[in-house]
Amino acid sequence: QVQLQESGPGLVKPSGTLSLTCAVSGGSISSTNWWSWVRQPPQKGLEWIGEISHSGSTNYNPSLKSRVTISVDKSKNQFSLKLSSVTAADTAIYYCTRDWNDVSEGDWFDPWGQGTLVTVSS
Amino acid sequence: SSELTQDPAVSVALGQTVRITCQGDSLRNYYASWYQQKPGQAPLLVIYGKNNRPSGIPDRFSASSSGNTASLTITGAQAEDEADYYCNSRDTSGNHPYVFGTGTKVTVL
Repeated sequence: QVQLQESGPGLVKPSGTLSLTCAVSGGSISSTNWWSWVRQPPQKGLEWIGEISHSGSTNYNPSLKSRVTISVDKSKNQFSLKLSSVTAADTAIYYCTRDWNDVSEGDWFDPWGQGTLVTVSS
Repeated sequence: SSELTQDPAVSVALGQTVRITCQGDSLRNYYASWYQQKPGQAPLLVIYGKNNRPSGIPDRFSASSSGNTASLTITGAQAEDEADYYCNSRDTSGNHPYVFGTGTKVTVL
């Protein structure tokens, strides 16, 4: 079955750009699914960041839209997240996940990567 | 964008039934999906759609919905069900953006 694995620097300086990659194994990123990023600040709840289709169409959380770019690399079967102008408030565990969209049953996320902690600090 | 509100914490005696609610305007038009998160672990899908469980999720987990409220019920709670639970749905705008609930900590006594 499909498995997801996040990777990237665990420490980013304030005002810098956070960059993460999600490698997809056990299936093709070119399926009909969309692919999302979700984050969770320490001891807080989940926040949806944005999503991308295999063709490169994107949708973003309006609260982050000005700073977020999600891209896909079909040749490597992976997708990526870039978040610019980061501050301490962007410190969080970042998860990647697969979207499911069904006309009858709605939408859901499954599976999820294990998550990666990114700390914003000088 | 809309919000999804959950009670911060609920407790349930071992073997008893607990219901976790999620309230928000978007739930009048969209199903909620539900996620279980144990400490140090990624969220795990437990319910999606009207009332569907992924493979491997026990049948003690079920869902229902009425008006602007979606509910996740655990019938016969087990010690391993102690976790944080989050609902998720689309934003009321109907665009792709999604919103997560505030989360409920379930304690099994």
